[in-house]
Amino acid sequence: DAKTTQPNSMESNEEEPVHLPCNHSTISGTDYIHWYRQLPSQGPEYVIHGLTSNVNNRMASLAIAEDRKSSTLILHRATLRDAAVYYCILRDGPSGSRLTFGEGTQLTVNP
Amino acid sequence: DTAVSQTPKYLVTQMGNDKSIKCEQNLGHDTMYWYKQDSKKFLKIMFSYNNKELIINETVPNRFSPKSPDKAHLNLHINSLELGDSAVYFCASTREGSGAVGELFFGEGSRLTVL
Repeated sequence: DAKTTQPNSMESNEEEPVHLPCNHSTISGTDYIHWYRQLPSQGPEYVIHGLTSNVNNRMASLAIAEDRKSSTLILHRATLRDAAVYYCILRDGPSGSRLTFGEGTQLTVNP
Repeated sequence: DTAVSQTPKYLVTQMGNDKSIKCEQNLGHDTMYWYKQDSKKFLKIMFSYNNKELIINETVPNRFSPKSPDKAHLNLHINSLELGDSAVYFCASTREGSGAVGELFFGEGSRLTVL
């Protein structure tokens, strides 16, 4: 599986936007970019995914660089409930049923 | 209704015992997984079943034996428990054929402590 690199931790203030970066310089053409998050004492939950184009959903936006070697998860207005570990994961198109988790970014949201 | 439910949520046991963790999903999914999250918080896939058939078996000791009686259930049985088995075990499911775009739904985890 292609590797992703994320900062270990980030901090944000409540109601401000948060940009969580992810580098994936060895991404292949068939890899999808997925983001999951894990709230304290809970299982991971799906946030968003994309292939080439930027994506928006009710939880977040995903901005994908033109060369696809990096992406950014955007939380438009952070809330205290968004404090979690955020995982950026590459999944291979033809065979990518599994999720291979890295270390993720621990997001702290300050009131 | 909980989509993916695991029982028990907490399990404390002695070394050498045998224990099971059960997982059920009511999403109609065909593919289910077991993941292990150790004390350093790394999440690692252990097994995957599709329609009751084993399709992923990572390098896991054979003391761990998954069993899928039907496609809605994937249980994890662990023999001769060791201290290193202490972890949080997560069950997950996804729709068959969804490949790299399918969303995985995770349970809340089962925290196993081996004394």
